[in-house]
Amino acid sequence: GNSVTQMEGPVTLSEEAFLTINCTYTATGYPSLFWYVQYPGEGLQLLLKATKADDKGSNKGFEATYRKETTSFHLEKGSVQVSDSAVYFCALSEISGGGADGLTFGKGTHLIIQP
Amino acid sequence: DTEVTQTPKHLVMGMTNKKSLKCEQHMGHRAMYWYKQKAKKPPELMFVYSYEKLSINESVPSRFSPECPNSSLLNLHLHALQPEDSALYLCASSRRGMEDEQYFGPGTRLTVT
Repeated sequence: GNSVTQMEGPVTLSEEAFLTINCTYTATGYPSLFWYVQYPGEGLQLLLKATKADDKGSNKGFEATYRKETTSFHLEKGSVQVSDSAVYFCALSEISGGGADGLTFGKGTHLIIQP
Repeated sequence: DTEVTQTPKHLVMGMTNKKSLKCEQHMGHRAMYWYKQKAKKPPELMFVYSYEKLSINESVPSRFSPECPNSSLLNLHLHALQPEDSALYLCASSRRGMEDEQYFGPGTRLTVT
């Protein structure tokens, strides 16, 4: 079956530091890949997505590139802010012969940015 | 408008109560979802409605009963819950089905006493 692996953290960084959150996946076909962010006390927000190999998703200074050869979708940001403190979920969705499967989530990475 | 709304924001109920959670979207999406999220865990899929028909029930106990009155509304009826059902209940929608990105509501924080 499908799976997503990401570092759980917490990951603690200083403001303006460079961020990388690793995400690797296992899928049988050609999944779409997503990063969702969950701020304290809130629901999940779609941060960015990529639907095919070499696509780069970007939003709010965050970027992730769909790397089929390494089955990865690492999240990066050049300069983090305190307001980026949240839990980040990597997820995939795949269409198989039986139709679309639901979102498979990683366990989430808790990011803490200190001023 | 990419908003999914959920009411109530918080709910406390006893084990003998009956209550309902409500979810609404006006994006014209035809797939809607209920998820359960425990603290520090990813969301777990409970139900999927596709074109107002229940298409997936992920072995959820019958004390949870979903309802989709129309393409914009999704309800979750709760009855005889257990304390371990306390969690954040998230609603989501997507344009056609599970191949599309899902948009989540803010959730209902449920406490069962």
